[in-house]
Amino acid sequence: GESVGLHLPTLSVQEGDNSIINCAYSNSASDYFIWYKQESGKGPQFIIDIRSNMDKRQGQRVTVLLNKTVKHLSLQIAATQPGDSAVYFCAETRHNAGNMLTFGGGTRLMVKP
Amino acid sequence: DAGVIQSPRHEVTEMGQEVTLRCKPISGHDYLFWYRQTMMRGLELLIYFNNNVPIDDSGMPEDRFSAKMPNASFSTLKIQPSEPRDSAVYFCASSLVAGWGNTEAFFGQGTRLTVV
Repeated sequence: GESVGLHLPTLSVQEGDNSIINCAYSNSASDYFIWYKQESGKGPQFIIDIRSNMDKRQGQRVTVLLNKTVKHLSLQIAATQPGDSAVYFCAETRHNAGNMLTFGGGTRLMVKP
Repeated sequence: DAGVIQSPRHEVTEMGQEVTLRCKPISGHDYLFWYRQTMMRGLELLIYFNNNVPIDDSGMPEDRFSAKMPNASFSTLKIQPSEPRDSAVYFCASSLVAGWGNTEAFFGQGTRLTVV
């Protein structure tokens, strides 16, 4: 897939540092959230998800935090590696509204060796 | 499973021509989505199907766009006639039935469409 271009916010981190990518969602009725990673020339790939009855979920090197009060989602990547360089999207949905996802605008993560 | 398969990967066509994009979802998935990705608008949902039936096509930009899903293993997105502003990457995605933990959508590699 195309990298989503010139207007993306960009986060630049040093290899080995931790990264935090933020996302504000719009629909207070959303109760399921997913982070996707999109590398150049590829489709978005699932990273981690979280339900609204949780405020934190951990995976391998990744953690998602959910703050429903301010409708904010974050993705933390520990010990960032060059392979983590990509565009990251958050997506929201309601579990009883079909499986329709609404995607945020994306953040480009650049990892400097 | 090979994942969601889209074809062609790249398509260059002249304005006014018909373009057909194809998608094979993951076997057993009940939902199929067509997205468009552009630099200006990001990822936009065009239409989605549940059990081969179109559920929401409110994202389809114009009547020039149409989508079909004749069976559980195949879907097409057609643009007729195509225009330069249709140039984008078109993604197909599929997912399991609605429900907690099953909503993850798996994306294909996309079709990069260029209309000249």
